[in-house]
Amino acid sequence: AQTVTQSQPEMSVQEAETVTLSCTYDTSESDYYLFWYKQPPSRQMILVIRQEAYKQQNATENRFSVNFQKAAKSFSLKISDSQLGDAAMYFCAYRSWSEDTDKLIFGTGTRLQVFP
Amino acid sequence: DAMVIQNPRYQVTQFGKPVTLSCSQTLNHNVMYWYQQKSSQAPKLLFHYYDKDFNNEADTPDNFQSRRPNTSFCFLDIRSPGLGDAAMYLCATSRDRGLVSPLHFGNGTRLTVT
Repeated sequence: AQTVTQSQPEMSVQEAETVTLSCTYDTSESDYYLFWYKQPPSRQMILVIRQEAYKQQNATENRFSVNFQKAAKSFSLKISDSQLGDAAMYFCAYRSWSEDTDKLIFGTGTRLQVFP
Repeated sequence: DAMVIQNPRYQVTQFGKPVTLSCSQTLNHNVMYWYQQKSSQAPKLLFHYYDKDFNNEADTPDNFQSRRPNTSFCFLDIRSPGLGDAAMYLCATSRDRGLVSPLHFGNGTRLTVT
């Protein structure tokens, strides 16, 4: 079974600085997608960035980028020029799909605080 | 804006009293999911619908049921809520099954069991 591990329950960063959130996963599948979702307090979960396992190039979305190391099964999120609005719970997730199942498997999350 | 809407945002029910949570979507997505998220934990998939095809996760308790009367609506029924069922319930949709389509989440319904 696939698992997703986020070893940092909480992180903090100063406004305008850069922070990296860690994520590792375990799978025997060769093709899959990885995602980072952001869940602000009392608000909906929104997609931050996604990465297909077959693509070697790291995904980038504005200030958000990933460092995808397939062999090491590592998928970290880098937030550059942090803003107060980045404060949220961040979940790393693995998309598993077959004829029998379709699920997004989440890590336990990292709570990011941003200080002015 | 196209979106996923969950009602109500907060639901209080009594121990053992059936409760229904609702989810609607204007995205016209084929797949709808229900996740349970307990405090400080990762969301856990309960089940999903691919069109009208219901797919239950193996470890989802029988106490949880779901209905999808049409493409736009999906309901989560908890037949006899226990104290351990208190959680945030998240509805999500996906354009299709498979790896490419991302999930779009609603705001969630926070269920309290007294």
